[in-house]
Amino acid sequence: DTAVSQTPKYLVTQMGNDKSIKCEQNLGHDTMYWYKQDSKKFLKIMFSYNNKELIINETVPNRFSPKSPDKAHLNLHINSLELGDSAVYFCASSLLLSPLHFGNGTRLTVT
Amino acid sequence: DQQVKQNSPSLSVQEGRISILNCDYTNSMFDYFLWYKKYPAEGPTFLISISSIKDKNEDGRFTVFLNKSAKHLSLHIVPSQPGDSAVYFCAASAKLAQGGSEKLVFGKGMKLTVNP
Repeated sequence: DTAVSQTPKYLVTQMGNDKSIKCEQNLGHDTMYWYKQDSKKFLKIMFSYNNKELIINETVPNRFSPKSPDKAHLNLHINSLELGDSAVYFCASSLLLSPLHFGNGTRLTVT
Repeated sequence: DQQVKQNSPSLSVQEGRISILNCDYTNSMFDYFLWYKKYPAEGPTFLISISSIKDKNEDGRFTVFLNKSAKHLSLHIVPSQPGDSAVYFCAASAKLAQGGSEKLVFGKGMKLTVNP
């Protein structure tokens, strides 16, 4: 059983399109995150939700909008995709103050 | 502004020898440090952590050392095994200052290759 699962694994799309990445965790965790790994390999936090409430919102363009319908899900919607959005996006979850569990990532390529 | 630095991009060691992975940080507010291991096409998995109140934490073949005055930590793997070949990320957070959510700051990662 996959603990943190995100779909799709690969996403290729054209500039200007709108796309979503879905994330689900079955660990019973109360906090979920989105991280972005850019071309320089840095993993940087984008958002964090605790019990469906936005806790951390880093300097991310407004085109990125997270949505948490319940504690087990945190989706990422991206409007008007740009070339610079190409990256690997990782979803993660944790219990309060415990290590993060990551999904396997979604490789987004914008052409 | 890299708050967590892993200055060596790669390390190659022989099976059975010790692997030492280094990490430096600049933010003195960091009080919790972690190492994650990542295989290709998978997400990072938690390996070991250390709080700033300690200077050493050991878990089986893995030991993390923290030198707060030097703002330096290292991960020792002994003996190294071929299955340890992966990318290792150092991460840090200011847990006490943050309160709730974990806002981890990651280094760039270091690729470890353990040769049979």
